[in-house]
Amino acid sequence: AQTVTQSQPEMSVQEAETVTLSCTYDTSESDYYLFWYKQPPSRQMILVIRQEAYKQQNATENRFSVNFQKAAKSFSLKISDSQLGDAAMYFCAYTYSGGGADGLTFGKGTHLIIQP
Amino acid sequence: DTGVSQDPRHKITKRGQNVTFRCDPISEHNRLYWYRQTLGQGPEFLTYFQNEAQLEKSRLLSDRFSAERPKGSFSTLEIQRTEQGDSAMYLCASSKPPGQGAGEQYFGPGTRLTVT
Repeated sequence: AQTVTQSQPEMSVQEAETVTLSCTYDTSESDYYLFWYKQPPSRQMILVIRQEAYKQQNATENRFSVNFQKAAKSFSLKISDSQLGDAAMYFCAYTYSGGGADGLTFGKGTHLIIQP
Repeated sequence: DTGVSQDPRHKITKRGQNVTFRCDPISEHNRLYWYRQTLGQGPEFLTYFQNEAQLEKSRLLSDRFSAERPKGSFSTLEIQRTEQGDSAMYLCASSKPPGQGAGEQYFGPGTRLTVT
């Protein structure tokens, strides 16, 4: 069974600085998708960025980028120019792309604090 | 695109009572998922529908839980004889048909269940 591990329960960064959130996963599959979701306090889960495993190029969405290392099964999220609105729980998630059960497997999350 | 909606947003019930939650997915999405999230944890997959067919159920979905998606539109999740351990946030998500996206799921605001 696949697992997703986020080893940083909490991270803190100064506003306007850069922070990197770590995620590792375990799977025997070669085709899959990886995601980072953001969950602000008492608000719904928002998709931040996605990565298809077959793509070697790292995904980028404005201030958010990933470092996808397929061989190492690592998928970190870099947030540049951190803003107060980035404060939230961040979840790394995996899903197999080959059909069948497509439920997401989530890590336990990283609580990101932005210091003004 | 109105997003995924869930009703009710909060539910308080006494142990032993039955509860039912509703999820309305994004209109063009044919896949619908239910997750459960407890405090301090990432969401855990419960079950998934493609159109009206329930294709996968997690072992977390005990026989007290039942989900339906009549006519492939909205879905309901019913919990019979609730227990205090059922207290959690129940999240619904939807996604596009295979081949029309990169597996990303869009989440609703959740229903917070408290069993007293």
